[in-house]
Amino acid sequence: AQSVTQPDIHITVSEGASLELRCNYSYGATPYLFWYVQSPGQGLQLLLKYFSGDTLVQGIKGFEAEFKRSQSSFNLRKPSVHWSDAAEYFCAVGARSGGGADGLTFGKGTHLIIQP
Amino acid sequence: DTGVSQNPRHKITKRGQNVTFRCDPISEHNRLYWYRQTLGQGPEFLTYFQNEAQLEKSRLLSDRFSAERPKGSFSTLEIQRTEQGDSAMYLCASSSVPGQGEDTQYFGPGTRLTVL
Repeated sequence: AQSVTQPDIHITVSEGASLELRCNYSYGATPYLFWYVQSPGQGLQLLLKYFSGDTLVQGIKGFEAEFKRSQSSFNLRKPSVHWSDAAEYFCAVGARSGGGADGLTFGKGTHLIIQP
Repeated sequence: DTGVSQNPRHKITKRGQNVTFRCDPISEHNRLYWYRQTLGQGPEFLTYFQNEAQLEKSRLLSDRFSAERPKGSFSTLEIQRTEQGDSAMYLCASSSVPGQGEDTQYFGPGTRLTVL
C-alpha cells in the first residue's frame, strides 16, 4: 500500500523568503504525485502534479516541485513567499489505474505560517 | 466549468440519525471520488466511481456508509446511524479519465458533518 510522509507539521517563513516543503512517498511503481493547498474551511486546490516526463514541474502561484525517484521524494518549493501563501499544504500519491489515478493517499499536511 | 459542488455545506445531526450528502461533479467528468477529512489530518479516500460503476471502496467505508451514482452524474453519500466519530469534512472530487493531462482530481468545498 502506498503512503506519504510530510515530516514538518508546521513551518514558519518570513515573507519574501524561500520555501521548501518536504514530501516522501512509498509506492512500488512510478506514482502520480500531487501537491494541493487548502485554506481554512475550504476545499483543496491543485498546485501541481507529476505524471511522467520532466521531473521538475511548474505549478500555479509560482510553486514548483521536483520528483526524485532515488529519494522517493517530491518536495515543493517557492523562491519568495507571500503572506497569501499561508495555508495547509498536502502532498498526495495516486496509483495508476485505467489512465488515471485511483483514490489518492494524502500526507498529514504541513501548516505554513508567514511572518511579516 | 462551474466546478465541483457539494450540498449541504454544513450538517448538524444527532447520534443515530441518517444523513445524506450530494456531490455534483464537473460536467462530463466520468470519475467521482469521496474522501473524509478529520481535524488536523489529510483527506482519506473512501470510494470512487467511474460513470455508474463503483470501482473501489476503502476499508474506512463501513457498512453504515453507502454511496451511489445512479446515472453517472451526481453522487450521494449516505451515513446511517451516525456516530460521533463520523464528524468530519466529507470531500468530493471529480476527474476525466482517460485524458491528456486531465487525470487530475478537482475537489469541491466539502460538507462539514457534526454529530452531537
